[in-house]
Amino acid sequence: EVQLAESGGGLVQPGESLRLSCAASGFTFSRYWMHWVRRAPGKGLEWLLSIIGDGKKTILHADSVKGRFSVSRDNAKNTLYLQMSSLRAEDTAIYYCVREECADNYCKKFDYWGQGTLVTVSS
Amino acid sequence: VMTQTPLSSPVALGQPASISCTSSQSLVYSDGNTYLSWLHQRPGQPPRVLIFKLSTRLSGVPDRFSGSGTGTDFTLKISRVEAEDVGVYYCMQGTHIPYTFGQGTKLEIK
Repeated sequence: EVQLAESGGGLVQPGESLRLSCAASGFTFSRYWMHWVRRAPGKGLEWLLSIIGDGKKTILHADSVKGRFSVSRDNAKNTLYLQMSSLRAEDTAIYYCVREECADNYCKKFDYWGQGTLVTVSS
Repeated sequence: VMTQTPLSSPVALGQPASISCTSSQSLVYSDGNTYLSWLHQRPGQPPRVLIFKLSTRLSGVPDRFSGSGTGTDFTLKISRVEAEDVGVYYCMQGTHIPYTFGQGTKLEIK
């Protein structure tokens, strides 16, 4: 069974850093693109960052986190990471990790989402 | 830019519902696929993808959900709304970077 479990969220002060983890199981982690998406309270969904299976390519989707957030992965540990720095109040959100399935004639099937981890940035 | 309408939709149980989504540019990808997905999020739950690649339902998604559209105009239809369908529906495009969502449509039972 495919499972994605985020962890590392919590309450932090503005300007601080935090690293989120997403533990993957039930599939060959290294073969999949993985993504981070967030939903701020009372707002819609925002796609943040993507990383290829071997970790050699990343894509930034949200200008709001440019230069502050980065994505990485450890395929030996089946874990995806989101490193967040210079956190702001507007980064308060639930952060989800997402798996993308690709097959011979398609990609971008975002078939599994974790339950999310809440990050609250407040003084 | 992805624009959804309506932003709120009260629907009686057993009645049909329809949500529209318009993209400011064509979502036809270089591989010929249109990477438009529909997601559903219930309160306190993560989003769930119902439909991807314009009209393909994911495994386990009831067939009362259907997706259709062209390169820029898309529709999610629910043939007969059930109580479990309440929540927020999002369209999402994965053709162009950055991937983007519509604003969301809140489906409520009338």
